[in-house]
Parts: sequence; structure tokens; C-alpha cells
Amino acid sequence: GAVVSQHPSRVICKSGTSVKIECRSLDFQATTMFWYRQFPKQSLMLMATSNEGSKATYEQGVEKDKFLINHASLTLSTLTVTSAHPEDSSFYICSASLAGEETQYFGPGTRLLVL
Amino acid sequence: DAKTTQPNSMESNEEEPVHLPCNHSTISGTDYIHWYRQLPSQGPEYVIHGLTSNVNNRMASLAIAEDRKSSTLILHRATLRDAAVYYCILRDVKNSGGSNYKLTFGKGTLLTVNP
Repeated sequence: GAVVSQHPSRVICKSGTSVKIECRSLDFQATTMFWYRQFPKQSLMLMATSNEGSKATYEQGVEKDKFLINHASLTLSTLTVTSAHPEDSSFYICSASLAGEETQYFGPGTRLLVL
Repeated sequence: DAKTTQPNSMESNEEEPVHLPCNHSTISGTDYIHWYRQLPSQGPEYVIHGLTSNVNNRMASLAIAEDRKSSTLILHRATLRDAAVYYCILRDVKNSGGSNYKLTFGKGTLLTVNP
């Protein structure tokens, strides 16, 4: 089956620093990648959708200048949390899909802790 | 996308079948019914999806009511590894491509499997 990886699996950073999270589709080319955030005991909330080579589409209430998304190739998307603050501490999950397929393939998630 | 309603939690015993219900009374004719599950501290995992007919795969079966206003995910023999949050999601297939492939997660059903 299709595999999506994320790196790092967990990261701790100081307030005010930036953190980059990578999402890779390992055995397929993903036309679309999605970024979600999940706070403890809550459901996944979609942050943005990105298509290779074009600007990401952000959900309402998500600051595009704070959460920078780059989808430079069909196998890699990155999410950069700029000037992270403790309230950005969360579980960040990416997913990828193939054109014409209904299924989304999810990564294992990245746990971010901002001190 | 139309809304779904699921019980907050369910409990089952190992080796017994589990029927997870989902109500979607406002479903439209072009909504696919998707099921994903999320094990603790992991990204979601695709389980099954269907449109009108019942569907079977190696993980589960999906029984869709004739009026499509409800569906049931069936795990034929629950194992401890099936303990997870199960999400029933509708996706409008007529909005295809790019950001319209997005999935909107509700709270899901927390399934507990007793040994």
C-alpha cells in the first residue's frame, strides 16, 4: 500500500523559533497533500491543501504567513511553523492523495512541543 | 460536505463482531461514505469507502442503508489492535480534484476492545 512518512516524529523547540516538518510519499507521486493539526482529545482539523507547484489553499482561520507550506515536488511537502509559540504545540499530520483516487494516505504525525 | 453523527464510544469483546453505526440523513447523491480510523498517537488509516452498494475488503465491511441515510462499519472479529477512534466522513464526489478532495473529520467513535 501507499506509504507516507513524516520527519521529525517529534520536536521540542523554544518559543520564537521556526520548525520545519517534512511529509514524503515514499512509493507514489502525490498530486495533492494535506496538512492537519490535532490538539489533545480533539479531532483532526484541516489546515491547508497543497498541490505540487502551486500555492497552498489555507482553511479559514489558519495564518498562511505563520504556517508556510511548500510542495516543491510530487513526493515532498513541507510545513514550517514560523515564530512558534506554546499554543502551537500540537500533533501535526500530513496526508497525500493520488489524482482520481478517493483514498487519502496519512503520515504517522509529528508531535511539536514549544517551550 | 454533509454532516455525520456517530456514537461517542462503543465497547466490544475480542473475537466478536463489531457494528459501528453512522447517521448521515442529509447525504447527497454524490457523497461517498468514507471510514478512517486512528490508533492512539498515530495518523489516521483508511478503512473503507462506498457510494451505494455494500463493500467488503480485508479490513472490514461497509453496509449502506437503501436510502443511504445511514451506514454501518462492520469489523467481523475484533482484535485488540482494532481499538481506535473510527471516523465516518462524507465526501462530495462531484467536487473532484485539488482542495475539494479534503476530508472533514468529526469526533468519531472511540472503540474499546476488551480481552
